[in-house]
Amino acid sequence: KAGVTQTPRYLIKTRGQQVTLSCSPISGHRSVSWYQQTPGQGLQFLFEYFSETQRNKGNFPGRFSGRQFSNSRSEMNVSTLELGDSALYLCASSKALDYTESEQFFGPGTRLTVL
Amino acid sequence: QKEVEQNSGPLSVPEGAIASLNCTYSDRGSQSFFWYRQYSGKSPELIMSIYSNGDKEDGRFTAQLNKASQYVSLLIRDSQPSDSATYLCAVRGAYGGSQGNLIFGKGTKLSVKP
Repeated sequence: KAGVTQTPRYLIKTRGQQVTLSCSPISGHRSVSWYQQTPGQGLQFLFEYFSETQRNKGNFPGRFSGRQFSNSRSEMNVSTLELGDSALYLCASSKALDYTESEQFFGPGTRLTVL
Repeated sequence: QKEVEQNSGPLSVPEGAIASLNCTYSDRGSQSFFWYRQYSGKSPELIMSIYSNGDKEDGRFTAQLNKASQYVSLLIRDSQPSDSATYLCAVRGAYGGSQGNLIFGKGTKLSVKP
């Protein structure tokens, strides 16, 4: 079974630009969560999508947004990039409808560098 | 603010020894707990999940959960140099704004010396 895939793997952008990252979950998984990982803050939750609806949202500014398509693929967008947005962006998928015993599996991540 | 605390390490153990990694969490209502392993430059890999008090064993790994003490640990028996990585503890939030989120500790860096 193929794992979670993310594209692109690496991105270099300049301040003020916007970026779109893509995630394809494991086949059969309907939940996709996005995380930002930085050396200082660790792994922080951005948002979760389930059946094309945002089910949960972390404490990030509105410049960070996402969506999910009917095939469960998800995209996240960051507008007006800031230097502090440089990070590893991770997508994780899970299959359970509820949270109780829902394991999340991570993709390889997208390394974003903002200059 | 729901928190997950881990000793950042580095934790250094000799090859063949038992490595013990610890994690405490603040959300008393949490029911789901996970350990991930992350090699340098790679993404986190799920190695254990635990939902009930007590021990859960999978090969050389044992997860231990004590909800009353809000404490979860991971034991790695017969540690190998290939176990050298950062181990992330994750707790699923139970209430309020954290409900459903995975809240991660900052990780413990483990180094297994040959």
